[in-house]
Amino acid sequence: AQTVTQSQPEMSVQEAETVTLSCTYDTSESDYYLFWYKQPPSRQMILVIRQEAYKQQNATENRFSVNFQKAAKSFSLKISDSQLGDAAMYFCAYRSLDGYNQGGKLIFGQGTELSVKP
Amino acid sequence: NAGVTQTPKFHILKIGQSMTLQCTQDMNHNYMYWYRQDPGMGLKLIYYSVGAGITDKGEVPNGYNVSRSTTEDFPLRLELAAPSQTSVYFCASSYNTGTGREKLFFGSGTQLSVL
Repeated sequence: AQTVTQSQPEMSVQEAETVTLSCTYDTSESDYYLFWYKQPPSRQMILVIRQEAYKQQNATENRFSVNFQKAAKSFSLKISDSQLGDAAMYFCAYRSLDGYNQGGKLIFGQGTELSVKP
Repeated sequence: NAGVTQTPKFHILKIGQSMTLQCTQDMNHNYMYWYRQDPGMGLKLIYYSVGAGITDKGEVPNGYNVSRSTTEDFPLRLELAAPSQTSVYFCASSYNTGTGREKLFFGSGTQLSVL
């Protein structure tokens, strides 16, 4: 079974600075998807960024980028120019490429609570 | 377009009582999911459904039941509620084409306390 681990329960960053959130995962599959979700105090789950394991190029979305190291099974999220609105819980998640047989379900890490200091 | 709608948003249940958390989506999504989120923990899958009439267990199904009689609705039933079921419950859906790329759409959650 696949597992996702986020070893940093809490992180803090100064506004306008850069912060990196860590995520490792375990799988025997060679193809899969990885995601970062943001959960602000409103509890809404917001997709931040998505990475296909078969792509070597790291995904980027504006100020958000990932460092995907497939061999090391590592998937970190970098937030540049941090803003107050980035304060939230961030979840790393894994999904098998075998969507039909695996039910398309996401496997989540424990989350990292990010605070942004003005 | 409402997306995924969950009701109620908050509820207090007494030990041993039963209740149903409602979830409906208007996006014609084939896959639907129920997750629970305990404090300081990630989301854990309770049950999921790949289409009307088809459901399957996730990681933590004990104490819950589901049904999927229509594409739109996926209610979660709690029988004989226990304090361990105090959690925030999320319903989610996606239009799954089998590629794994599809985005999950989440409801806003139901905060349930069992006292």
